[in-house]
Amino acid sequence: EIVMTQSPATLSVSPGERATLSCRASQSVSSNLAWYQQKPGQAPRLLIYGASTRATGIPARFSGSGSGTEFTLTISSLQSEDFAVYYCQQYNNWPALTFGGGTKVEIK
Amino acid sequence: EVQLVESGGGVVRPGGSLRLSCAASGFTFDDYGMSWVRQAPGKGLEWVSGINWNGGSTGYADSVKGRFTISRDNAKNSLYLQMNSLRAEDTALYHCARFVGSFGEWYYYGMDVWGQGTTVTVSS
Repeated sequence: EIVMTQSPATLSVSPGERATLSCRASQSVSSNLAWYQQKPGQAPRLLIYGASTRATGIPARFSGSGSGTEFTLTISSLQSEDFAVYYCQQYNNWPALTFGGGTKVEIK
Repeated sequence: EVQLVESGGGVVRPGGSLRLSCAASGFTFDDYGMSWVRQAPGKGLEWVSGINWNGGSTGYADSVKGRFTISRDNAKNSLYLQMNSLRAEDTALYHCARFVGSFGEWYYYGMDVWGQGTTVTVSS
């Protein structure tokens, strides 16, 4: 099983600032990585797939980068609606799809 | 409107069984692979199982292999998860979700449509 490790567990950021979230895979997943946002009481929302492609309707302030084992999700200027938990997920290793443990982005 | 609605959750004793259902609407159901993802209370997301467009290919997390069975009925636009030999650690909110990919890469590119989930509690 590929283990996905996200850091930090919690990120405190002021509105308007940049947030940088990390996701590391225990072995290479190529670019087969997705990012999700989840707000309390809501289902997850797909943000990024293919490590860097924004899903339909996702604002340009969200960007993804990386390949192999190291990935980054960047939110360029945090809006109030962006405070949430973010998960990475690899889909390189079927049938063992795995999620990271999540990063909570909270208001500083 | 593209929508997934889960049902069938409840309280069950350890060792018991439940069958979850997911009703899809607003899209051509048999064009997509589908998945179940669960979330234990206060915890992160865990992928449980996936199935391709016609049911010919399925996959399971190690934690549920041999106990859970995923299936679909394209005529009814429905996805199912038969859960047997339930354990306390299966307690979670179970979401169904649609894979973005298609054809040979049906489980690729993440999951873009999610239901709100149905709660399963395993307790004596």
